[in-house]
Amino acid sequence: DSGVTQTPKHLITATGQRVTLRCSPRSGDLSVYWYQQSLDQGLQFLIQYYNGEERAKGNILERFSAQQFPDLHSELNLSSLELGDSALYFCASSSRGGGASKGYTFGSGTRLTVV
Amino acid sequence: DQQVKQNSPSLSVQEGRISILNCDYTNSMFDYFLWYKKYPAEGPTFLISISSIKDKNEDGRFTVFLNKSAKHLSLHIVPSQPGDSAVYFCAASASTHAGKSTFGDGTTLTVKP
Repeated sequence: DSGVTQTPKHLITATGQRVTLRCSPRSGDLSVYWYQQSLDQGLQFLIQYYNGEERAKGNILERFSAQQFPDLHSELNLSSLELGDSALYFCASSSRGGGASKGYTFGSGTRLTVV
Repeated sequence: DQQVKQNSPSLSVQEGRISILNCDYTNSMFDYFLWYKKYPAEGPTFLISISSIKDKNEDGRFTVFLNKSAKHLSLHIVPSQPGDSAVYFCAASASTHAGKSTFGDGTTLTVKP
């Protein structure tokens, strides 16, 4: 157990629907990162939050949004889903200033399948 | 434009031998480089990192080498063990960019007994 909890582990939904992925960071970590891994590809950075504030944004689609709550858990909302959104979505956390040099702690991911 | 590249999708080595995984980057702003290991059905696990002010960092069987002029880094695993079989991701980050890491596509290492 890495200390980063992602729910649900698996999600199957239809095109056009909306889903919410949830992440609880490791205790004490203030930064949360969301990454998308499509089939056999690398991890694509979506968005980062630090202590409730958006800190950095990657190639996140307008149909996707995220937030970090006062208790530091984060949610990634995906709407108007398309077949191409099927992927593994990872959440990671890091301590203040630690992500760049000390690495992230990843959750085990949510596998989203859009049918 | 892929800023971090792992040109070898897979690597197979014999147990006890050295495994060398390579990574190239293009962005001169990167000042930290990291390696992660990923087993199936799990998230990536941080393995080792190196700052751009160093050219080598060692942790047990794992050593990372950085060649800034060539924008190249490599991970050496000596000796390789079957339990090292996993996908290895190279990542790079710029401390001026909020700690966000850019990942390569990964190299699948298979260590044969």
